[in-house]
Amino acid sequence: KNEVEQSPQNLTAQEGEFITINCSYSVGISALHWLQQHPGGGIVSLFMLSSGKKKHGRLIATINIQEKHSSLHITASHPRDSAVYICAVKGRHTGNQFYFGTGTSLTVIP
Amino acid sequence: EAQVTQNPRYLITVTGKKLTVTCSQNMNHEYMSWYRQDPGLGLRQIYYSMNVEVTDKGDVPEGYKVSRKEKRNFPLILESPSPNQTSLYFCASSLSLGGPPYNEQFFGPGTRLTVL
Repeated sequence: KNEVEQSPQNLTAQEGEFITINCSYSVGISALHWLQQHPGGGIVSLFMLSSGKKKHGRLIATINIQEKHSSLHITASHPRDSAVYICAVKGRHTGNQFYFGTGTSLTVIP
Repeated sequence: EAQVTQNPRYLITVTGKKLTVTCSQNMNHEYMSWYRQDPGLGLRQIYYSMNVEVTDKGDVPEGYKVSRKEKRNFPLILESPSPNQTSLYFCASSLSLGGPPYNEQFFGPGTRLTVL
């Protein structure tokens, strides 16, 4: 059983396109974390959010607690955005444990 | 420079030979955690620590030990490694995750472990 599901698993886009990656979860959460894993393997934090919306540069993350759903949007995509995007949730009733989606692999073609 | 460091970065060992992967952070973070990443399974939490001398099991703690004697260090110990522990391991830290606001995690560069 996966507490966290991401879609799509793989995504190919043309440079400049608007991209949406979805994350759905089945447990009550206190926070949701979006991560980016570069082709070399390093993991970088993008957003940690508990409600509403956050924006950083061309990246926007939203969360709907009632629907147990979060989206990561990338505007004006660029080849350097090619990476695996991972959603993780901090369960509200599971201590301070994190559960992860299996990631969305994004390739942006010039 | 604020960072999480792990050593070694790559390790090939044999079944049953005890090993330790070190993790250190220089950001005075309270929360530290170990994860393993496997193809098709994604990241899974092994152990985490909310503060010094406080550790808790994650999703996949079997075969691993941890300790948190100092705030900056959180070593991962494999007492008797087995081939199914071949994986990519990440250490991470966060200022605090005990209550809102919840702070982001910073990840180390990863340790690729192969157990023959």
